[in-house]
Amino acid sequence: KNEVEQSPQNLTAQEGEFITINCSYSVGISALHWLQQHPGGGIVSLFMLSSGKKKHGRLIATINIQEKHSSLHITASHPRDSAVYICAAFYGGSQGNLIFGKGTKLSVKP
Amino acid sequence: DTAVSQTPKYLVTQMGNDKSIKCEQNLGHDTMYWYKQDSKKFLKIMFSYNNKELIINETVPNRFSPKSPDKAHLNLHINSLELGDSAVYFCASSQGGARNSPLHFGNGTRLTVT
Repeated sequence: KNEVEQSPQNLTAQEGEFITINCSYSVGISALHWLQQHPGGGIVSLFMLSSGKKKHGRLIATINIQEKHSSLHITASHPRDSAVYICAAFYGGSQGNLIFGKGTKLSVKP
Repeated sequence: DTAVSQTPKYLVTQMGNDKSIKCEQNLGHDTMYWYKQDSKKFLKIMFSYNNKELIINETVPNRFSPKSPDKAHLNLHINSLELGDSAVYFCASSQGGARNSPLHFGNGTRLTVT
């Protein structure tokens, strides 16, 4: 069964802290996505990766294919980072499908 | 300019009614999707279209019928609405599918069936 597991489910941090959100998945994925859902409900794509590491501003995403694991890191966290972060794995070929994790709700306190 | 726009933003209706949600993207993408987000905030694919052709049709009641008049539009029509259809529906698009490129989401349509 193709599954995506995220941890933690909820995370509270103080402003400035380094944050890590974890995602594990089953074999055979073609790509992994990290999404951010704002408190207002909108969803934004942060990263799509199939190997290695990507960085955008204070956000870093890594993936370890052998361990079937990806992490999203936020450096120098800020209250505006408060959101739900969702990991999604693409299983299958050209007619494959994104399977979503249940999300990690992050709250960054000033 | 909004990249992926869906209307309406809110939809409140009674059981048994038929309703439609419209989605348009101006990104020139070839693939469009409908996702459902339930009350627990869990996202799940409903349909995927590539160049107007149905690619993915997950286990969705046949009361849900997507229609893609052209590759920039993917509308969702729902017949005989039920209480369990209450959710937030997101339209999204990508170029070449989610295996190859990131998704761009619309702002969602919150459907409430009473």
